[in-house]
Amino acid sequence: DSGVTQTPKHLITATGQRVTLRCSPRSGDLSVYWYQQSLDQGLQFLIQYYNGEERAKGNILERFSAQQFPDLHSELNLSSLELGDSALYFCASSVNRLAGLYYEQYFGPGTRLTVT
Amino acid sequence: SQQGEEDPQALSIQEGENATMNCSYKTSINNLQWYRQNSGRGLVHLILIRSNEREKHSGRLRVTLDTSKKSSSLLITASRAADTASYFCATNYGGSQGNLIFGKGTKLSVKP
Repeated sequence: DSGVTQTPKHLITATGQRVTLRCSPRSGDLSVYWYQQSLDQGLQFLIQYYNGEERAKGNILERFSAQQFPDLHSELNLSSLELGDSALYFCASSVNRLAGLYYEQYFGPGTRLTVT
Repeated sequence: SQQGEEDPQALSIQEGENATMNCSYKTSINNLQWYRQNSGRGLVHLILIRSNEREKHSGRLRVTLDTSKKSSSLLITASRAADTASYFCATNYGGSQGNLIFGKGTKLSVKP
């Protein structure tokens, strides 16, 4: 158990809908990262938050957004869903001190999103 | 893209044998990490090697890093059926805020 929790575990929804995925980082970790894992694209970094502020953006679609709340949990919002958005969405957390220092990331169990 | 590339894509061995997986990347890095993923589940961090380190051990795992060749290898000694999983290398490159760039992974199958 990594200490990172994600809810829900599974989500089935229809095209055009909007969903919210939730992540609670490990106790003490200030940084949260979101990744998407799909068969064709592999594991891709989406977005990072540190202590409530967005720090880095990867291959995140404009239809997707995220935020990190004062209690450090984070939510990833996916809207106008398409079939191609079906994937495993992972949240990871780490103690992010300064860019360039070295730290591992701890991954949650993921949310499997199926868009029908 | 700064994505790492693992080699081979798939590896099948017998229990007790050693498994070696390789990873190549494209640009200078802060560190390189190896993760394991059991089928459809979350990633588990295995080992982190810094750009100024050449070799690191953790239990049955041995990781090497050659920054001149931009490559790393993961060796699992005396493999067990429980080692069956996908293994990913991930790089944290200069200037990033810590987000990882993952390779496509090596699928390891260890037969009892």
